[in-house]
Amino acid sequence: DMQMTQSPSSLSASVGDRVTITCRASQGVNNYLAWYQQKPGKVPNLLIYGASTLQSGVPSRFSGSASGTDFTLTINSLQPEDVATYYCQKYDSVPLTFGPGTRVDIK
Amino acid sequence: EVQLVESGGGLVQPGRSLRLSCAASGFTFGDYYINWVRQAPGKGLEWVGFIRSKTYGGTPDYAASVKGRFTISRDDTKDIAYLQMNSLKTDDTAVYYCCGQQPLGYWGQGTLVTVSS
Repeated sequence: DMQMTQSPSSLSASVGDRVTITCRASQGVNNYLAWYQQKPGKVPNLLIYGASTLQSGVPSRFSGSASGTDFTLTINSLQPEDVATYYCQKYDSVPLTFGPGTRVDIK
Repeated sequence: EVQLVESGGGLVQPGRSLRLSCAASGFTFGDYYINWVRQAPGKGLEWVGFIRSKTYGGTPDYAASVKGRFTISRDDTKDIAYLQMNSLKTDDTAVYYCCGQQPLGYWGQGTLVTVSS
C-alpha cells in the first residue's frame, strides 16, 4: 500500500527561525499533496494544497514545494502561534493517506 | 459561514454499532465530497473514507481498516452525511471528524467515539 512518511517526527526551534518539514510519498501523487496544521486541542486546518498553493487566509510565512515524490513545508520566521503538529496528506486517489505528523515546538 | 456539526458519538461496547451524523450549512453541500477522518487519543490523523458528490457518482470509498464494517451515506436534501459503524472494535476509539472539500478545507469540531466494555 501507498505510504507517506514525514521527517523529522518532532523539532524544536527558536522564534524567527526557518523551519523545514519533509514529506515523502512511496509513489507519485501528481502533486495532489496537502499540508495541515493542528494546534494543541484544536481541529486541523488546511494550510497548503496542490503541494504549493497557499490556502486563503494562511500567513505568507508558510510555503510548500515539491520535487518528485518529496514535498517540503517551510515556515519562514517561526512564530509562537505556529506551535502545532503538521500533517501531509495525499489526495490523488484512495486511500487519502496522511503522514504520521511532525510536532513543532518553540525552543 | 461554513459549519459542519457532528453528532452521535458516545460510549459503545465492542461488537455493537453506532451512527454518526454530520450536518452542514453555509456551502452547497451537494457539490462536495464529504470525508470522515478520525484521530485516536494522542495519535495522528487517519482518513476513514469519503462519499463523492452526485456529480461524481455519489459513491463511497473506505480505508482498509474499516472497509466492510463502516458505511458512509449522504442526504443532499437535508445537507447531512452519515457514518454507520458496525462491529466496532476498541481500536475504533477516536474523535471522528466530518470534512468537506477535497482536500479537506472544511472541518467539523469532531465527536468522540469510545469503544469499551
